[in-house]
Amino acid sequence: AQKVTQAQTEISVVEKEDVTLDCVYETRDTTYYLFWYKQPPSGELVFLIRRNSFDEQNEISGRYSWNFQKSTSSFNFTITASQVVDSAVYFCALSEAYNNNDMRFGAGTRLTVKP
Amino acid sequence: DSGVTQTPKHLITATGQRVTLRCSPRSGDLSVYWYQQSLDQGLQFLIQYYNGEERAKGNILERFSAQQFPDLHSELNLSSLELGDSALYFCASSVTGRTDQPQHFGDGTRLSIL
Repeated sequence: AQKVTQAQTEISVVEKEDVTLDCVYETRDTTYYLFWYKQPPSGELVFLIRRNSFDEQNEISGRYSWNFQKSTSSFNFTITASQVVDSAVYFCALSEAYNNNDMRFGAGTRLTVKP
Repeated sequence: DSGVTQTPKHLITATGQRVTLRCSPRSGDLSVYWYQQSLDQGLQFLIQYYNGEERAKGNILERFSAQQFPDLHSELNLSSLELGDSALYFCASSVTGRTDQPQHFGDGTRLSIL
């Protein structure tokens, strides 16, 4: 079964620092999809990005960037020039093309950005 | 705002009771998912429906049941509640329920069992 590991339980940075959230996954499928979600203190889960297993191109969206490396089974998320509003729990998730069962979430990384 | 509506936002009840959580998916989404988020178990997939039919089942207890109605809203029924059922319950929706589609989550229902 698929597995997602977010080894960093909590990270604390000072505003304007760059921070990288790690995500390592395991899957036997050759076709799979990776996601990042943000859960701010208000509690809702916000979709950030999806990447499929055939597209290793890195993506940048404003201060957010994602680095997908199949060789290391990693899909890391970097926030540049962090802001207090980035404080949240971030979840990495994996779904497999041929496993209709579920989207498997990592345990999440709690990011605190201090002013 | 994801467009997924969950009611109620908070629910407080006692052990042994039964509750119903409600979810309206985003307009145009045919598939609904239910998740449980607790401190010790993290985000756990419970069950998925597509256009009224059950499509996939995860770690859902026998005391829990769900259904999706013809208007596509869904309800999660939790019965014989135990203290350990206290959690945040999320509903999510996607267009067709394919695994490549992102799921869009509601704000959740926080269930507290006293």
